[in-house]
Amino acid sequence: QQQVKQSPQSLIVQKGGISIINCAYENTAFDYFPWYQQFPGKGPALLIAIRPDVSEKKEGRFTISFNKSAKQFSLHIMDSQPGDSATYFCACQNNNDMRFGAGTRLTVKP
Amino acid sequence: KAGVTQTPRYLIKTRGQQVTLSCSPISGHRSVSWYQQTPGQGLQFLFEYFSETQRNKGNFPGRFSGRQFSNSRSEMNVSTLELGDSALYLCASSWSTSYNEQFFGPGTRLTVL
Repeated sequence: QQQVKQSPQSLIVQKGGISIINCAYENTAFDYFPWYQQFPGKGPALLIAIRPDVSEKKEGRFTISFNKSAKQFSLHIMDSQPGDSATYFCACQNNNDMRFGAGTRLTVKP
Repeated sequence: KAGVTQTPRYLIKTRGQQVTLSCSPISGHRSVSWYQQTPGQGLQFLFEYFSETQRNKGNFPGRFSGRQFSNSRSEMNVSTLELGDSALYLCASSWSTSYNEQFFGPGTRLTVL
């Protein structure tokens, strides 16, 4: 059972553009929703996270939008830069479970 | 502060062998979680240890086991290796439980021939 669906699988964006990655979940017991960034040869690194009591969280160029009723959340990268080229994973967690999305490979073209 | 370290970084084994991977968490972190990452299945949770006790376990066969020592260092063991066990094994630490911010190590790339 795929509990976290992430899309798109890959994304190509021009420098300066907006990158948008989406995740949908099924289990309403999840209460922590992080996004991770992974560069080749490295482990994932926490980028930004949100809890379901807020609908949006912004940190620099990165924003999470959260829709609790739709059980969806998304990552927006504003002014995308070539250095943002990486694989991004969404995750859904609670005290007893943690599930990752399948990942999105983002390429930002200069 | 040193990050999460994993040893070895690369490992080649043959089917039927067993392997032990090691993870040293960030100083002060008491929770260590293990994940398997493959192109086909993505990132999958293996288990979490907190204060030397297994707190949660993912859906993996009993060939996968782990332990945590009093200094919070953790080891993961896979017995009777199968070709499908080839993966990047990631360790992550956090100060309380895995359901706070986790810091990942670089992983151990295991290849089973």
